[in-house]
Amino acid sequence: EDKVVQSPLSLVVHEGDTVTLNCSYEVTNFRSLLWYKQEKKAPTFLFMLTSSGIEKKSGRLSSILDKKELFSILNITATQTGDSAVYLCAVGVSGGSNYKLTFGKGTLLTVNP
Amino acid sequence: NAGVMQNPRHLVRRRGQEARLRCSPMKGHSHVYWYRQLPEEGLKFMVYLQKENIIDESGMPKERFSAEFPKEGPSILRIQQVVRGDSAAYFCASSPPGSGGATDTQYFGPGTRLTVL
Repeated sequence: EDKVVQSPLSLVVHEGDTVTLNCSYEVTNFRSLLWYKQEKKAPTFLFMLTSSGIEKKSGRLSSILDKKELFSILNITATQTGDSAVYLCAVGVSGGSNYKLTFGKGTLLTVNP
Repeated sequence: NAGVMQNPRHLVRRRGQEARLRCSPMKGHSHVYWYRQLPEEGLKFMVYLQKENIIDESGMPKERFSAEFPKEGPSILRIQQVVRGDSAAYFCASSPPGSGGATDTQYFGPGTRLTVL
């Protein structure tokens, strides 16, 4: 069974801190890894990482994929209170079920002023 | 371009009643996916539909749950004779045609939070 594990489950930091969120996976026929930010509404797409794109950056957020070690990290620098959310990691696979995303349980990030 | 729309946002039902959850995909998207999020759990795949076709419903409970995506109108997730264990957040996502499937980016709606009393 495909498995995605995120750590830590929760994290509390102060504004201005840098955080690193982890996502490890065990899947058959890995195709892509996606990061989403979930506040009290829709999960919002952040990044998709594949074999052809193992590093992405957008503003204060960046992510890398290590296909050999089967993990990804999401970095947030100079955190702000607006970064407080649950960050979800999901993995997609190739083959017959290539439409399914398998999600981790998420990391709850709280940024205090 | 409006995002994925879901309604209602909150739904309260008594045990034994029916729940109908609606999802309108993003404009131009023809792939719809339903996920369920139980408390303290990650999102779990339920069903994948294209217009008038159920492609994969392997994540759906065998009884009481059904989904459709008609030629016209929103996708509907229907839960008959709800029980307390059905209380969860139900999310819909969509992706554009020709995208090769779900592993190309799925865009999520705000979810429907179902509470069964």
